[in-house]
Amino acid sequence: GENVEQHPSTLSVQEGDSAVIKCTYSDSASNYFPWYKQELGKRPQLIIDIRSNVGEKKDQRIAVTLNKTAKHFSLHITETQPEDSAVYFCAAAKRGNQFYFGTGTSLTVIP
Amino acid sequence: GAGVSQTPSNKVTEKGKYVELRCDPISGHTALYWYRQSLGQGPEFLIYFQGTGAADDSGLPNDRFFAVRPEGSVSTLKIQRTERGDSAVYLCASSSGQPGELFFGEGSRLTVL
Repeated sequence: GENVEQHPSTLSVQEGDSAVIKCTYSDSASNYFPWYKQELGKRPQLIIDIRSNVGEKKDQRIAVTLNKTAKHFSLHITETQPEDSAVYFCAAAKRGNQFYFGTGTSLTVIP
Repeated sequence: GAGVSQTPSNKVTEKGKYVELRCDPISGHTALYWYRQSLGQGPEFLIYFQGTGAADDSGLPNDRFFAVRPEGSVSTLKIQRTERGDSAVYLCASSSGQPGELFFGEGSRLTVL
């Protein structure tokens, strides 16, 4: 099956700085890569996703990049704000809808 | 419904007891997933349904765990002879059937004493 690794496990940044979280995957058949944000005690919610036919996608302060050759993808958050503090999970999925999640990154934005 | 609904939100049980957790997905979503999430960990895949059938149950940890979705909508995760190690939040998610957004429920927090 798929193996998704995520780094770092914890990340602290000053408000206004950028944050980068990286994930690798093992199954070259994976073609969909979502990122979920989970606040304490809440459900994971999708913040951005990318499909394998695209190298980069941006939505306001959030961007995701994908390198299919190297099998890694990254989440970039610019101009971080305290409300960005949460746990972020990457995932990889393929045709047949099998989703596998990374172990999460706890992001703290220091005001 | 408007979102994925899971019941109960909290369940405390004693070791050895039987537990059922229910998930009501978003109306029309053909794909339904069960995940288990321990504190500080990512969602761990358990089972995935496409319609009524289990398309992939490779994540079920052992034969004490079983899940059904008899009419292709509501699903029940069943855990027999619960153990303390089963304590976790059990998340259900549904999607429209393409590799696309998973909509998660709020989860059922299971505590086995």
